[in-house]
Amino acid sequence: NAGVTQTPKFQVLKTGQSMTLQCAQDMNHNSMYWYRQDPGMGLRLIYYSASEGTTDKGEVPNGYNVSRLNKREFSLRLESAAPSQTSVYFCAIRRHLNTEAFFGQGTRLTVV
Amino acid sequence: GQQLNQSPQSMFIQEGEDVSMNCTSSSIFNTWLWYKQDPGEGPVLLIALYKAGELTSNGRLTAQFGITRKDSFLNISASIPSDVGIYFCAGANSGAGSYQLTFGKGTKLSVIP
Repeated sequence: NAGVTQTPKFQVLKTGQSMTLQCAQDMNHNSMYWYRQDPGMGLRLIYYSASEGTTDKGEVPNGYNVSRLNKREFSLRLESAAPSQTSVYFCAIRRHLNTEAFFGQGTRLTVV
Repeated sequence: GQQLNQSPQSMFIQEGEDVSMNCTSSSIFNTWLWYKQDPGEGPVLLIALYKAGELTSNGRLTAQFGITRKDSFLNISASIPSDVGIYFCAGANSGAGSYQLTFGKGTKLSVIP
């Protein structure tokens, strides 16, 4: 997972609380992604940023917002956390179209 | 949207056995990727395939990009205990707006010593 750093690694929130998950890369890749992983569901795309200054919705964007702060950083915000958002969140980066993705180590979020 | 069917969902094998898993798609991909995920970790890239018919190896792992571009296969030879984990396939396309990767739901591999 070298090159993609996610913080925090673990978090417990109460329903209704807000928080921001951070992702930073040092590989100078153009596109960045946020996925969530739930048992039996594989990896589902929440939001992505094809390049600095752009963001787009993925498969499951409801309840989330994102910010591509600069080329290095892509944050995911939960404005009002719900138990259904209990999941493992992964940030990923890709150099450009048609190339492989590299993942961070994940943030394990529990909403109680 | 595009969907990937990955099979089998899970496998229990004896150490030393060979393993095969595959992914099929309802549509064409230009790139096929295979990842492994250990417990508590993020997915790690094993093999990337960029050309229909391509066969690529990485140690005991061999993956193939199907000639129809709608499927891919991963084989592991002479399995060892550290092969345990979840294996994911992913497909990607080039072209305007095609920034998304589509993932299979994973094959969970258990190796019995």
